[in-house]
Amino acid sequence: DIQMTQSPSSLSASIGDRVTITCQASQDISNFLNWYQQKPGKAPKFLIYDASNLETGVPSRFSGSGSGTDFSFTISSLQPEDIGTYYCQQYDNLPLTFGGGTKVEIK
Amino acid sequence: QVQLQESGPGLVKPSETLSLTCTVSGGSISSYYWSWIRQPPGKGLEWVAYIYYSGSTNYNPSLKSRVTISLDTSRNQFSLNLSSVTAADTAVYYCARGAMGAAGLFDYWGQGTLVTVSS
Repeated sequence: DIQMTQSPSSLSASIGDRVTITCQASQDISNFLNWYQQKPGKAPKFLIYDASNLETGVPSRFSGSGSGTDFSFTISSLQPEDIGTYYCQQYDNLPLTFGGGTKVEIK
Repeated sequence: QVQLQESGPGLVKPSETLSLTCTVSGGSISSYYWSWIRQPPGKGLEWVAYIYYSGSTNYNPSLKSRVTISLDTSRNQFSLNLSSVTAADTAVYYCARGAMGAAGLFDYWGQGTLVTVSS
């Protein structure tokens, strides 16, 4: 199985801050990497696919980059509605696997 | 707007079989991959299985011996059976659609249903 390692596991930032989350795959996954946002008690929401492509309707303050084994997800200016847990997920190989999640809170 | 809705018992006894159904509305079940994903309380996400509209399937090896996924195109539904459950199978179970013709991009999700394994 491909292991996905996210860091940090949690972070606290102020409104307007730039926030970056990293995700490392245990082997090369090219750009087959997605990002999801999950709010408490809700299903995950699809944000970014193929490492850097924004899903339709997702605010442009969200972005992703990377390829191979190292990826990052950035919120350019943190907003109150961005609180939640963010997950990376690879789909290069089966089984599909997710990172452990990064909980984003407002300072 | 595509919507997915999970249904099934919220409580299952140890050693019994967990059975869930996902009903898809607002769109056809054809031409897509459909997955089950679960999340133990307070923990991360685990992909369980997927089925393509043609009927081909793939399972997480960690669960493969106990899982069956099936499809009913006439009812626009797909289902999950997980046998010989233990407390470790307690989780919120989500159904999800594979986006853009790919099994591994989940663009639409159900709201999730909590299944507790307990006697």
